[in-house]
Parts: sequence; C-alpha cells; structure tokens
Amino acid sequence: NAGVTQTPKFQVLKTGQSMTLQCAQDMNHNSMYWYRQDPGMGLRLIYYSASEGTTDKGEVPNGYNVSRLNKREFSLRLESAAPSQTSVYFCASSAATYTGELFFGEGSRLTVL
Amino acid sequence: KQEVTQIPAALSVPEGENLVLNCSFTDSAIYNLQWFRQDPGKGLTSLLLIQSSQREQTSGRLNASLDKSSGRSTLYIAASQPGDSATYLCAVDTWGAQKLVFGQGTRLTINP
Repeated sequence: NAGVTQTPKFQVLKTGQSMTLQCAQDMNHNSMYWYRQDPGMGLRLIYYSASEGTTDKGEVPNGYNVSRLNKREFSLRLESAAPSQTSVYFCASSAATYTGELFFGEGSRLTVL
Repeated sequence: KQEVTQIPAALSVPEGENLVLNCSFTDSAIYNLQWFRQDPGKGLTSLLLIQSSQREQTSGRLNASLDKSSGRSTLYIAASQPGDSATYLCAVDTWGAQKLVFGQGTRLTINP
C-alpha cells in the first residue's frame, strides 16, 4: 500500500539549474498539494490541485510551476533554482475536493548551492 | 489571515505521564482542524481530524478537543510511551481559504 510516493528523496542542484519533483498517489484522491517545510517557517503551501486539470497558487508559488498530469500525478518544477529554494518538499493528497484528511509523502530534501 | 500557534515548542516528560499539547488559532470560522505526527526525516501522518461541528475525536490513547469560540484545540496523550516521541503539528482549514494553515509544531520527547 504505497499511498503518496515522491521522487527523488534527495537532490543537490547548482543555482540556475532546473529540476522536477514527482509525486504520485494510489488512493484515487481528488486533491493534491505541494508544501515546503523550513526551520522556523513551518509548512507552507506552494501549489495545489483540487481536481484533475486544475491548479491554484498557494502561499509561496514564486519560482515554481506545477502540472497535474492525471488524477494520480502532480509534479513540481523549479525552472531556475535559487539557494532560497533549499528546503524539504512534501506532496500530499486528500479525497475531498478541498482539504479533508491529508496524506503526506516522505518528502524530498533539496539543496541548492 | 488565519494564524496557528503551538506552545510550547518543545516538551520533555517521563514515560507514563498523561500530557496535553496546545494549539490556538485566530479565526474561529474553521472548517476542520487536524493533528499530525512527524517523525525525524519523515512525512506527516494524520492522527485526528475534527470537523467544525464536533467537540472532540478519539483514537486509542489520543483525544483531541476543539473549542472554536476560544480558538483552541488540545491533543491529550494518555500513558505516554517513548514511541510517542515526535513532533506534533496542528493545522486549520478556514471556510473559504481552501487550504490548511499549519502551526510550527511541538517537539515531544518521552524519557524512559
């Protein structure tokens, strides 16, 4: 029972490089989310997708893009990575169209040098 | 703007004690409140979800209460065990916001 799967788990980038974080859920959930977690800042919402085909900005969307590829998959792309994007990124999903009980992936630790 | 506060930031207690973790929020027009557990280097695990119409929820040794009028929720852990050591976060969903706002968490250590 995989739940929410994120890849990669660890990544080191140089400033200006691009990368995509992948997220997939196998619970047939409608909503998916990308959060970042930073010491002293807590968890902050980057983008979310209430249903397949829709995406919306969260609290800290600048520097990121997302794609809801299908109902299972929601990817987060950093087009030109900056040191300020060093963080732990979490993908989450919920059955409800908006929030409801959230299920989280294990996280992706990104370091931008 | 909804703000969620958890005090204390860290708590250390001996094994076997009953304990209470606190969560306060500024906007009482909430849709639901969730408590999560996070182990070091891991994702968050949902523990309890309380709908706005509910006063409390229970799961095993955990009991969460909600008082919307005072903007407070508590997570009660009975007969604490070393395996309960983790960071506990609360998160609030406010009507119309369509997203959860998280507290900073309380890092709990249970000493054998």
